[in-house]
Amino acid sequence: DGGITQSPKYLFRKEGQNVTLSCEQNLNHDAMYWYRQDPGQGLRLIYYSQIVNDFQKGDIAEGYSVSREKKESFPLTVTSAQKNPTAFYLCASSITYDTDTQYFGPGTRLTVL
Amino acid sequence: SQQGEEDPQALSIQEGENATMNCSYKTSINNLQWYRQNSGRGLVHLILIRSNEREKHSGRLRVTLDTSKKSSSLLITASRAADTASYFCATFNTNAGKSTFGDGTTLTVKP
Repeated sequence: DGGITQSPKYLFRKEGQNVTLSCEQNLNHDAMYWYRQDPGQGLRLIYYSQIVNDFQKGDIAEGYSVSREKKESFPLTVTSAQKNPTAFYLCASSITYDTDTQYFGPGTRLTVL
Repeated sequence: SQQGEEDPQALSIQEGENATMNCSYKTSINNLQWYRQNSGRGLVHLILIRSNEREKHSGRLRVTLDTSKKSSSLLITASRAADTASYFCATFNTNAGKSTFGDGTTLTVKP
């Protein structure tokens, strides 16, 4: 997990609330990514950012929003529009957008009560 | 079905045995990578094989790639209980600018 951190580790949210997950990296990587993982399944791409001040929707962006105002930070907001937000969220970074190897944070487990 | 599908979904072996996992994909790729995930943790990069390579080794890991069959395999030799984890393949296409992950193989190594 070294160099990329996520907080908090566990997060509980009431239905109808927005919540923001933090992702920070000190690897000087240009590209950052957010994935969602449901039990027993693989990773699905929510949003990705190739460079600061730029981001694109991934495969399941509905109900989520992101910002990339600083190179080292890529926060993810889970909005009340996300119908089933309970999941494990993983943030990753890579040197550049066309560099293949990604480095992952430890993840945040979000539970909607 | 999605790019990067692993087979089998679950594998249980005894310590010391070899474990083989397979990954199939559908579109052209620049490279294929294997990652490991311990329960409730982030993914850790294991090995990358480029589209012009056929085999690659790293310690007890051996990866093969057959681009004609659009498939890859990961072999873990002399498995240990500590190898218990989920293993994912990820295909990378430069044009898409992102990796696509499969659903993973859950490996259990019994001591």
